[in-house]
Amino acid sequence: EDKVVQSPLSLVVHEGDTVTLNCSYEVTNFRSLLWYKQEKKAPTFLFMLTSSGIEKKSGRLSSILDKKELSSILNITATQTGDSAIYLCAADSLIQGAQKLVFGQGTRLTINP
Amino acid sequence: DGGITQSPKYLFRKEGQNVTLSCEQNLNHDAMYWYRQDPGQGLRLIYYSQIVNDFQKGDIAEGYSVSREKKESFPLTVTSAQKNPTAFYLCASRRAGASTDTQYFGPGTRLTVL
Repeated sequence: EDKVVQSPLSLVVHEGDTVTLNCSYEVTNFRSLLWYKQEKKAPTFLFMLTSSGIEKKSGRLSSILDKKELSSILNITATQTGDSAIYLCAADSLIQGAQKLVFGQGTRLTINP
Repeated sequence: DGGITQSPKYLFRKEGQNVTLSCEQNLNHDAMYWYRQDPGQGLRLIYYSQIVNDFQKGDIAEGYSVSREKKESFPLTVTSAQKNPTAFYLCASRRAGASTDTQYFGPGTRLTVL
């Protein structure tokens, strides 16, 4: 059965701290790993990772994929209260000709001022 | 502008009623998806459709039905057979066959059973 597991499930830190969120996956016909940020409604896209070892960066956020370990991390440096959200990791797979995303449970990140 | 719209934003259902959630996209995407999200959980796939007039069950299809008569529309019906329908429902779309493209999400519908 395809599975994506995120850790921790919940994290509370102070503004300015650096956080690392983890994602591990076991899916058939893996194609890519995606990270989304969800505040109160629809998830918004952060990163898509297809190649192992290549870091993607966007401002204070960065992410990297390790295909050997079947895992990915999302780093956020110098956190701000606006980073408070649920961070979702999803593995993109091709199943019976259809592209499907398998989501993890999400990490609820809370940044205290 | 291009995007995905879902309606209504909030929906209340009495037990035993069927309700239909709307999802429309003007992105010219072939593939559309319905997810359910419960508190403390990630998104779980209900149904998906790669082309018009064709759709497949996802991981939790029981108690739900869909149709795909038009490329831009993928309505979801929550039937009375769905025993615990209170949840946040998200619709998504993407270009079929585009491995480098991501799914784009609508704003969601929050369904509550009274």
